[in-house]
Amino acid sequence: GDSVTQMEGPVTLSEEAFLTINCTYTATGYPSLFWYVQYPGEGLQLLLKATKADDKGSNKGFEATYRKETTSFHLEKGSVQVSDSAVYFCALSDSAGGFKTIFGAGTRLFVKA
Amino acid sequence: DAEITQSPRHKITETGRQVTLACHQTWNHNNMFWYRQDLGHGLRLIHYSYGVQDTNKGEVSDGYSVSRSNTEDLPLTLESAASSQTSVYFCATASGQGAQTQYFGPGTRLLVL
Repeated sequence: GDSVTQMEGPVTLSEEAFLTINCTYTATGYPSLFWYVQYPGEGLQLLLKATKADDKGSNKGFEATYRKETTSFHLEKGSVQVSDSAVYFCALSDSAGGFKTIFGAGTRLFVKA
Repeated sequence: DAEITQSPRHKITETGRQVTLACHQTWNHNNMFWYRQDLGHGLRLIHYSYGVQDTNKGEVSDGYSVSRSNTEDLPLTLESAASSQTSVYFCATASGQGAQTQYFGPGTRLLVL
């Protein structure tokens, strides 16, 4: 079945550092890919998404490119801020799974001032 | 603004008791989902519904039930609470078919003693 694997955390960075959180997926169809973010005490919210190969999703300085050849959707940000401290979830949804969303285990990011 | 509300936000109960967690949405979305979030497991799907009178089991449905009598509400019932059901529970909605963005409620933290 479909699955999502993302790098284990926690990831600890200093403010203004470069961020990469790796995400790879397994899917039988042609999934849409998502990054969700969860701030402390809140539910998840969409950060960005891409619906087909080579699409780049972007939002709030974060970017991720849908790479079909490597089945990856890595999250990047050029300069993180303390306010980016949160848990980040990679996810996929495709027709083979009835369009249910499959989430990775989440990666916790701590950004130090 | 449209929103998803969950109640209660925190609940302590005893083993064997029946517990119902409420989820109410004003997005007018057809699709509603219940997840549980546990450390190291990410989000796991419990039950979901694609419309009124429709309910489906997710990957961890044992010991849980749902009913959908209107568009706005999808209550989650723990028939006989067990300590293994201590978790944070999230309700989510999506607008329709296809790989849709999910919108999450703030969560209910449940402790079963």
